[in-house]
Amino acid sequence: GQQVMQIPQYQHVQEGEDFTTYCNSSTTLSNIQWYKQRPGGHPVFLIQLVKSGEVKKQKRLTFQFGEAKKNSSLHITATQTTDVGTYFCRNEKLTFGTGTRLTIIP
Amino acid sequence: SAVISQKPSRDICQRGTSLTIQCQVDSQVTMMFWYRQQPGQSLTLIATANQGSEATYESGFVIDKFPISRPNLTFSTLTVSNMSPEDSSIYLCSVSSGASGIRRYEQYFGPGTRLTVT
Repeated sequence: GQQVMQIPQYQHVQEGEDFTTYCNSSTTLSNIQWYKQRPGGHPVFLIQLVKSGEVKKQKRLTFQFGEAKKNSSLHITATQTTDVGTYFCRNEKLTFGTGTRLTIIP
Repeated sequence: SAVISQKPSRDICQRGTSLTIQCQVDSQVTMMFWYRQQPGQSLTLIATANQGSEATYESGFVIDKFPISRPNLTFSTLTVSNMSPEDSSIYLCSVSSGASGIRRYEQYFGPGTRLTVT
């Protein structure tokens, strides 16, 4: 079946440092979505990317869809403690990625 | 966005018994899904709950083990049958406003049901 891998699995950063998680699909995607799950919470939708090479920004978050539509990335600039959580990508088959858990050192 | 509630929020059950989890949405939605998430792991789709017809199960999940009902556009239940400790997990209800077959709409999730089987 379709696999959606994310790297890294874990990331510990000092507050104020940048963070990036990468999402890689074994097949070409029609769209990709990103979700954030806070510790003890449920996943919350962040954004959807549809076009090849698309870049979208939400304040300190930058989302990118690869030219070949098989990978995507989420970059957070100057992390804050509120960014703590696990970030998942999701393909159009409703398959979630393996997730990247972000922890922040104050 | 949709507001989703689940009952129970958590339960501890004995092996061999069954538990039915309820999912209620505050508005009519086209698509409802059930996921399973083990602590520290990703989400795994169990099935799509179809209104008025049998649920569509993903590979590795069967109706006898996880019977699902969806009597209307705002409510669904998932039963975990003949439970074993391996069924211990968080079960999440999810909805999407997208039309059936068009899976490019955002999903909203309920708070989850934490199930422990002893």
